[in-house]
Amino acid sequence: SAVISQKPSRDICQRGTSLTIQCQVDSQVTMMFWYRQQPGQSLTLIATANQGSEATYESGFVIDKFPISRPNLTFSTLTVSNMSPEDSSIYLCSGGQGSLGGGVTEAFFGQGTRLTVV
Amino acid sequence: QKEVEQNSGPLSVPEGAIASLNCTYSDRGSQSFFWYRQYSGKSPELIMFIYSNGDKEDGRFTAQLNKASQYVSLLIRDSQPSDSATYLCAALTGGFKTIFGAGTRLFVKA
Repeated sequence: SAVISQKPSRDICQRGTSLTIQCQVDSQVTMMFWYRQQPGQSLTLIATANQGSEATYESGFVIDKFPISRPNLTFSTLTVSNMSPEDSSIYLCSGGQGSLGGGVTEAFFGQGTRLTVV
Repeated sequence: QKEVEQNSGPLSVPEGAIASLNCTYSDRGSQSFFWYRQYSGKSPELIMFIYSNGDKEDGRFTAQLNKASQYVSLLIRDSQPSDSATYLCAALTGGFKTIFGAGTRLFVKA
């Protein structure tokens, strides 16, 4: 299976600043997604990263706060902008292949980025 | 609101026993279903996926899907202490998005 390298693995940031998280896949994948996981909680989908076009955001998440890039089929970035302590969380990217016939899509995750905003 | 429901647990089983994890989903358009294992402080790791009604076995793991009842389960045979983790059930919706359940914590006692 493919491997996603995500960095940074953790960071402590000042409020009001921005952090960009990168994910590099070792093979081309159809889809990439960005999630947030609060401590003790499950994963919440932030957005679907679309190659060469604007990401598709879930309710409660906006592009100005979480701009996403996906210039090709192996790389994506998520920026957490104008950070506040409420943004402290684990951010995860995932990727996989899919088909409308019900094949596997999201099969693997990056290692996660543990963000603390002070 | 499309949801995936799991019992948060914790579920405690003795070593060598069968652990049974259950999940229900609300979106009848869901196509595929996944079980992930997540150790504390680590990323989720895919264990099984299933998209046809019935059972699917892989080693000590068996996933069961009943689309009529909108029910997915994971059985872990011969449970080991190393199986202690949070297990996340996820459903791929008709919109090609994956919705995760809150997870069930499993403890396997040696």
